[in-house]
Amino acid sequence: DGGITQSPKYLFRKEGQNVTLSCEQNLNHDAMYWYRQDPGQGLRLIYYSQIVNDFQKGDIAEGYSVSREKKESFPLTVTSAQKNPTAFYLCASSMGLALYNEQFFGPGTRLTVL
Amino acid sequence: GQQLNQSPQSMFIQEGEDVSMNCTSSSIFNTWLWYKQDPGEGPVLLIALYKAGELTSNGRLTAQFGITRKDSFLNISASIPSDVGIYFCAVKTAGNMLTFGGGTRLMVKP
Repeated sequence: DGGITQSPKYLFRKEGQNVTLSCEQNLNHDAMYWYRQDPGQGLRLIYYSQIVNDFQKGDIAEGYSVSREKKESFPLTVTSAQKNPTAFYLCASSMGLALYNEQFFGPGTRLTVL
Repeated sequence: GQQLNQSPQSMFIQEGEDVSMNCTSSSIFNTWLWYKQDPGEGPVLLIALYKAGELTSNGRLTAQFGITRKDSFLNISASIPSDVGIYFCAVKTAGNMLTFGGGTRLMVKP
C-alpha cells in the first residue's frame, strides 16, 4: 500500500537528549514537511524539503534539524536546544509545490520528554 | 503572521443533525482546504477549494470558498457518530505551504 509511515507512534525521552523521528513515504512525492501540534491547537510548520538534499526552515525551526538524503525519507531530530519538545509531530508529503499538489499526512509521533 | 479564525471552537452534535463551521481571515488566499483529524492520527484531506465562490461536495460534506477569498465554510449533513473529531481549515501560502486554523472539535451529545 502507498502511504506515509512514521515511527515510533509514541516516544519517551529524558530532558537533554536528542531524539530522531522517522518519516518514510512510498508515494514518489518530491516534497516533504514536518509539523508540530500542541494540545487544542492547529499545526505549525517546522521544516520542509522540496527535493533531495534541500530543505528550508518553517515557522518554528529553532531546536530542530532535518536531513533529506533520500527521496523517500525525511527524518526530524529534536535537539536538546528545543525548549518545549513535548508535542505531537506530523510528517506530510506532496507531489511538489505547484497548485493542486495537496499535502497528505502520516499518522504522527507523540513525543514526551520527561 | 497570517491567522485563521475558526468557529465554533467546539460543538456537540446529535446524530442526524446538520453541522456548520466556518473559517475567516483578514487576508486574501487563493486556496482553502478542509481536513479532519481523528484522535491520535494525522489529518485527512476532505475538500480542496481553488476558485472564489466555488461550492464543492464530498458525500455528506459541502464546503464553499467565499467570494471575498477571506473565508470558507464547511457543512456536514445528517451527522453520524464517526463524524466526531477535529476539523481544520487551512490556506495555501507561497510555495504550497499551509497555514492552519485552530480547529473545530465535534463531539457527540451524551
